[in-house]
Amino acid sequence: NAGVMQNPRHLVRRRGQEARLRCSPMKGHSHVYWYRQLPEEGLKFMVYLQKENIIDESGMPKERFSAEFPKEGPSILRIQQVVRGDSAAYFCASSLRTGRNTEAFFGQGTRLTVV
Amino acid sequence: EDQVTQSPEALRLQEGESSSLNCSYTVSGLRGLFWYRQDPGKGPEFLFTLYSAGEEKEKERLKATLTKKESFLHITAPKPEDSATYLCAVQASRSGGYNKLIFGAGTRLAVHP
Repeated sequence: NAGVMQNPRHLVRRRGQEARLRCSPMKGHSHVYWYRQLPEEGLKFMVYLQKENIIDESGMPKERFSAEFPKEGPSILRIQQVVRGDSAAYFCASSLRTGRNTEAFFGQGTRLTVV
Repeated sequence: EDQVTQSPEALRLQEGESSSLNCSYTVSGLRGLFWYRQDPGKGPEFLFTLYSAGEEKEKERLKATLTKKESFLHITAPKPEDSATYLCAVQASRSGGYNKLIFGAGTRLAVHP
């Protein structure tokens, strides 16, 4: 049972570089969510995507952050010109559909460190 | 503003010593309340979803209950392998039915033999 796959597991970037985080949802899941977990804080919703569409990006910073979920391939969270404050664990989750009894399953996360 | 508060922040138990974790919430219309378990360096692992006050769900040594203002995660006769951070999250009615969850900061549970 392949779960949600995220890569890389760890990513180190220098300030000003770009970070690309990848997420392959569970088989058959077409709903993808990205969350960020800052040190000593809870998980915060960033964005919700369905295939080729961004449905809700209300939790994503307006600048430097973007997300996509193309028809083929994994979902990508891109952070341009990273700053130290972007250092966090980024988690992707997927669900089969929306509505009742459709819980989200999380991946192992990508831990981004900006030096 | 929708908010989830978990207490205590950390809990240390002896093996076999039962206890409860609290999750109090303020949300404009609750669609669902979720419990997850998170081990260090791992992603959250789904445990339960509760939808209405009075609902209860059980899984092995864990039992989750829900009222109109809070949820409890009861741990009966815990074992060291139950050590983890337990996360509570709510889904508001205005979320559109998708998994836009508001998480608490979690309770770090340590069970010692």
